[in-house]
Amino acid sequence: EAGVAQSPRYKIIEKRQSVAFWCNPISGHATLYWYQQILGQGPKLLIQFQNNGVVDDSQLPKDRFSAERLKGVDSTLKIQPAKLEDSAVYLCASSSQGEHTEAFFGQGTRLTVV
Amino acid sequence: AQKITQTQPGMFVQEKEAVTLDCTYDTSDPSYGLFWYKQPSSGEMIFLIYQGSYDQQNATEGRYSLNFQKARKSANLVISASQLGDSAMYFCAMREGQDTGFQKLVFGTGTRLLVSP
Repeated sequence: EAGVAQSPRYKIIEKRQSVAFWCNPISGHATLYWYQQILGQGPKLLIQFQNNGVVDDSQLPKDRFSAERLKGVDSTLKIQPAKLEDSAVYLCASSSQGEHTEAFFGQGTRLTVV
Repeated sequence: AQKITQTQPGMFVQEKEAVTLDCTYDTSDPSYGLFWYKQPSSGEMIFLIYQGSYDQQNATEGRYSLNFQKARKSANLVISASQLGDSAMYFCAMREGQDTGFQKLVFGTGTRLLVSP
């Protein structure tokens, strides 16, 4: 079974530029998560999708971050404009429905904003 | 409010020894799941073990076991016979709520484990 795919693996941009990350979850997984992990910290949930609907985006900085999951499969996370403090690893994860199911993670995108 | 608390920023253990990584959680929901993940320096998050709030027995997966004390709201990870490859960050996570698939999965701040020869 293929895992969660993310691209790009690395991205360096200047502040005020825009950037987009892509995620393809495991086939059949209804739930998709985007996490931000700042160096030395635990992952912080930015947004959680159930199929193509948003079920939690309470920690998403909506003035600059946006995310969508078209057709309930792939997802993109966009930052516009980027700030220095957005430098982090952005992790995408997916899981099947239910509280007992673990989330499977992609390898992440390491973003550096200079 | 902090949902998951990991009070040990770093832990050291010698190879072949056992080590316990602490995790406490906060929820008023009777139904929840607790997870431990390992994150090596390469960055990927690797699922290790799961404990459900209604599970009567502590979960075990190979060298990993979960010391689940529901009344104390703790879910400590025990790694037996540590290996050099166990050196990594370890995160405790919780998903709370009824089984609707809408629950958030939230993580603690992690514990860095270093296994020495």
